[in-house]
Formats: sequence, structure tokens, C-alpha cells
Amino acid sequence: EIVMTQSPATLSVSPGERATLSCRASQSIDSNLAWYQQKPGQAPRLLIYAASTRATDIPARFSGTGSGTDFTLTISSLQSEDFVVYYCQHYNTLPPYTFGQGTKVEIK
Amino acid sequence: QVQLVQSGGDMVQPGRSLRLSCVASGFTFSRYAMHWVRQAPGKGLEWVAVISYEGTIRYYEDSVKGRFIISRDNSKNTMYLQMNSLKGEDTAVYYCARGPGIAVADALDNWGQGTLVIVSS
Repeated sequence: EIVMTQSPATLSVSPGERATLSCRASQSIDSNLAWYQQKPGQAPRLLIYAASTRATDIPARFSGTGSGTDFTLTISSLQSEDFVVYYCQHYNTLPPYTFGQGTKVEIK
Repeated sequence: QVQLVQSGGDMVQPGRSLRLSCVASGFTFSRYAMHWVRQAPGKGLEWVAVISYEGTIRYYEDSVKGRFIISRDNSKNTMYLQMNSLKGEDTAVYYCARGPGIAVADALDNWGQGTLVIVSS
């Protein structure tokens, strides 16, 4: 099973500043990585797939980079609605398609 | 637009069974792989199972293997999760989710609203 590790668990950032979230896979997953945003009481929403491709209607301030085992989600200028939880997930060939434990972005 | 409407969540006793449903609309259901993902109260997301577009390929997370069965009825645009021998650790909000195509291994681009399963005596 591929283990996905996100860091930090909590990220404190001021509105308008940049946030950088990390996700590491226990073995290479090529670019088979997705990022999701989850607001309280809601289902997750796909932000990024194939490590760096924005999903439909996702604002340009969200960007993803990485391949192999190390990945990054960057939010270039945090808006009030961005202070929520983010998850990475691999979908490399065979399941289980494990998620990271999540990073909560909070207001500094 | 794509919609996934879930039902079936309930409170049940340990050892009992429950079946969740996910009804799809707004797209050609038979052309998409479908997944179940769960989230225990206050915890992160956990992938549970996937079924291929035609229903012949099924994979499960280890903790539910042998107890849960994922299935689909493409004539009814509906996916199911039959949960047997339920345990307290199965307590969670269960989400159905769609992959963007026929591939089993893919991101999840549309999600249901979630349905709560509580396993307790």
C-alpha cells in the first residue's frame, strides 16, 4: 500500500499571502496525484489532477507541481474561502487509492 | 449537470447489514468508474472501493474486504455499497464519487452529498 504523508498538519497564513502544502508518497506514483478541498459539512471538491492540471472552474490561484514522490499545492493569494482542509490522493495503477491525512489552512 | 444523490445511511447495531445507494444523473453513467470514500467523524478521507464502468472489476480497501460489496445497475444509473458485519470503526459519512472516465485509477471529479452510517449498540 502506498502511504501518502501531508505536511504540515496545520498551516497558519494571513489572508492575501501564499500557502504551500506538501504531499509525499512512500513510492513513486509518477504524476498520478490529485488535490481536493473540503469545506466544513461539505463533500470534497477536486482542485488538481495529474499533479498539476486544474480541474474545471478552479481559480488560477491554485497550482500543483511535482512528480514521483514529492508534490506541492500552492495557493498564491489566500482568500477567506480558502481557509479549509486540503487532501492529496494517489491513483497510481492499483488500489488502494490512499489519501493523505489532510492539511488545515487557518488564518494567522 | 452531473448529480450524485445518495441514500441509505442509518444507525445500526454491530454485526448488522446496511445498503447504501448512489443515483447518478446528468451523464452517461455506464461509461464511468465509480468509487466509495468514507470519512469518520472528525477524521480524514479514506478510500473504500471502486467498480469499473461495466461492473466487472472491483477493488476494496483491506479493512472492508470480505464484508463490503460494491455493485452497480447501469439500467438504473445506480451504484450500491452492501455493508455486512458492520463494526464500530465503520461509522462514517460515506461518499460516492465519479472518476472522469472509464479508468478505475483516476481522480474523483464529482461527489455525492454523503450519507451518515452509525454503527452502535
